[in-house]
Amino acid sequence: KQEVTQIPAALSVPEGENLVLNCSFTDSAIYNLQWFRQDPGKGLTSLLLIQSSQREQTSGRLNASLDKSSGRSTLYIAASQPGDSATYLCAVLYNQGGKLIFGQGTELSVKP
Amino acid sequence: NAGVTQTPKFRVLKTGQSMTLLCAQDMNHEYMYWYRQDPGMGLRLIHYSVGEGTTAKGEVPDGYNVSRLKKQNFLLGLESAAPSQTSVYFCASRRGTDYSEAFFGQGTRLTVV
Repeated sequence: KQEVTQIPAALSVPEGENLVLNCSFTDSAIYNLQWFRQDPGKGLTSLLLIQSSQREQTSGRLNASLDKSSGRSTLYIAASQPGDSATYLCAVLYNQGGKLIFGQGTELSVKP
Repeated sequence: NAGVTQTPKFRVLKTGQSMTLLCAQDMNHEYMYWYRQDPGMGLRLIHYSVGEGTTAKGEVPDGYNVSRLKKQNFLLGLESAAPSQTSVYFCASRRGTDYSEAFFGQGTRLTVV
């Protein structure tokens, strides 16, 4: 079964801390992995897209890595700020059938 | 460029009523998806389409039907709404190439009473 898991479900850190969010997937036959941000009651904002042939992608204070063979991706946030507080979701585009499957999300709270 | 547009944005239904949610994209995308999101959970795939005239089941298809008669539109139907279908529904689309990213609508908040 094609599944995506995010751990932890919730994370609280003090402002300024560097942090890592984890995403794991069960089938390594993927096209890409996409990280999203979702604010409460809002839609999804795409943060980073990392192709299966890539090892990492960077955008500002965000860095996403991908290890397809082990079925893992991480989202690294440097120097966290209260404005980073949101739920972060990863989504995996699987080769078979073109399914786009989401993890459950990690709810991040950055305390001033 | 409107991107992905969902209609309606909010709706309240009574148990047993039917309704259709519309997802429209103007990017000539081949793939379209319908998801539901419940409190504290990620998005769960209901149905998806890999092109005009095609549909396929996702993770939680029961109680829903879909149609993709036109490439730009993907309809999600609830024939007999149940309180368990109270949720926020999101639609997404992406190009036909295998490595393309997904774009999302702003969501439809549905309450079944």
